[in-house]
Amino acid sequence: EVQLVESGGGLVKPGGSLRLSCAASGFTFSSHSMNWVRQAPGKGLEWVSSITSVSTYIYYADSVKGRFTISRDNAKNSLYLQLNSLRADDTAVYYCVRDTGDLDLWGQGTLVTVSS
Amino acid sequence: SYELTQSSSVSVSPGQTARITCSGDILAQKYARWFQQKPGQAPVVVIYKDSERPSGIPERFSGFISGTTVTLTISGAQVEDEADYYCYCAADSRGVFGGGTKLTVL
Repeated sequence: EVQLVESGGGLVKPGGSLRLSCAASGFTFSSHSMNWVRQAPGKGLEWVSSITSVSTYIYYADSVKGRFTISRDNAKNSLYLQLNSLRADDTAVYYCVRDTGDLDLWGQGTLVTVSS
Repeated sequence: SYELTQSSSVSVSPGQTARITCSGDILAQKYARWFQQKPGQAPVVVIYKDSERPSGIPERFSGFISGTTVTLTISGAQVEDEADYYCYCAADSRGVFGGGTKLTVL
């Protein structure tokens, strides 16, 4: 089955860190760029970061630049997002998304809650 | 940075045509996509490259671009089409979503 499964979310205090993972299956992971998109509770979608197929190019939204780091391990069919210096406004569901030129495959999301 | 502007809500009766618009200067240069998101679910792409429909998406969904505005049209909207709809565009290696439009069908 073609799918993306995120994990690693949870409750963290402001200033803390978290590492999200996304396990891909059912397709050739190493052939595709990947993205992270987040959605704060009751709010709209926000693009967070993208990485090309062999990590040549990496991009971030201004809101997370310098705090978040995207990476991938093609041998493990996995995508990661390291979240540092977390703030309350980083609270959101984080989605792992395949990019074929279109964001055509989404995971179910993992919830990150930043609260003291 | 680029911005995409959507109206916050649209309401139609079942069988009527729903039109959701998305405006932004970047749309004159880059393709738009439309995503449907139902409560508690991940988004699903319903239109890509401004007007292309993925396999499995009903024919009642269509997309159109005029200048800097793209329009998602749902012809003969069904109750199951009630959802939030987001336009999206990738430009300068960054993604931008519109603010979302809540479609009510009742």
